[in-house]
Amino acid sequence: QKEVEQDPGPLSVPEGAIVSLNCTYSNSAFQYFMWYRQYSRKGPELLMYTYSSGNKEDGRFTAQVDKSSKYISLFIRDSQPSDSATYLCAMGDPTNTGNQFYFGTGTSLTVIP
Amino acid sequence: NAGVTQTPKFQVLKTGQSMTLQCAQDMNHEYMSWYRQDPGMGLRLIHYSVGAGITDQGEVPNGYNVSRSTTEDFPLRLLSAAPSQTSVYFCASSRWGATNGYTFGSGTRLTVV
Repeated sequence: QKEVEQDPGPLSVPEGAIVSLNCTYSNSAFQYFMWYRQYSRKGPELLMYTYSSGNKEDGRFTAQVDKSSKYISLFIRDSQPSDSATYLCAMGDPTNTGNQFYFGTGTSLTVIP
Repeated sequence: NAGVTQTPKFQVLKTGQSMTLQCAQDMNHEYMSWYRQDPGMGLRLIHYSVGAGITDQGEVPNGYNVSRSTTEDFPLRLLSAAPSQTSVYFCASSRWGATNGYTFGSGTRLTVV
């Protein structure tokens, strides 16, 4: 079983829709949770970061962490064509001495004008 | 502030050839790592370094060597290229103990024929 599971999609939505992206994980030691956005032929960029459980909002983006279910989500409101990208979740364990973060395989999103 | 710089951006190698992928960062980050990204496989850790003179293996180290003589540079060497090493390679860095993930380079797209 992979440490982090993410539905690869692809996901296609009309402009203005609410998008929900999700990841599940197996390691209960994970405390740091991130979402990266990766445009085609570019490197991943950090989009959202949360620590432990709860919600975090930044503009049109909301990240949620449910540690009891080992489930994290990213919501995009009023989606725009510029949101078309691959979204990767990532997680970290504070006890990991290698400073390693674990990534999902990414979900490809297309927002249609 | 350049961040993480990778060269070259594209490379075609013949089977059996060797080459070095370059990575440099100007953020004084202690931690640096190399990932490969393949369709359906996500980001897989090849090697990482927690400081100058210290390196360790990740998930898929076979066929690759690294060294870290300075804080800024972390080159990745392919010893004898194989078609299975056709991939997109990303270098990433962070402060040691950072909880909010990595800064990624823009990637090197490698094809081995």
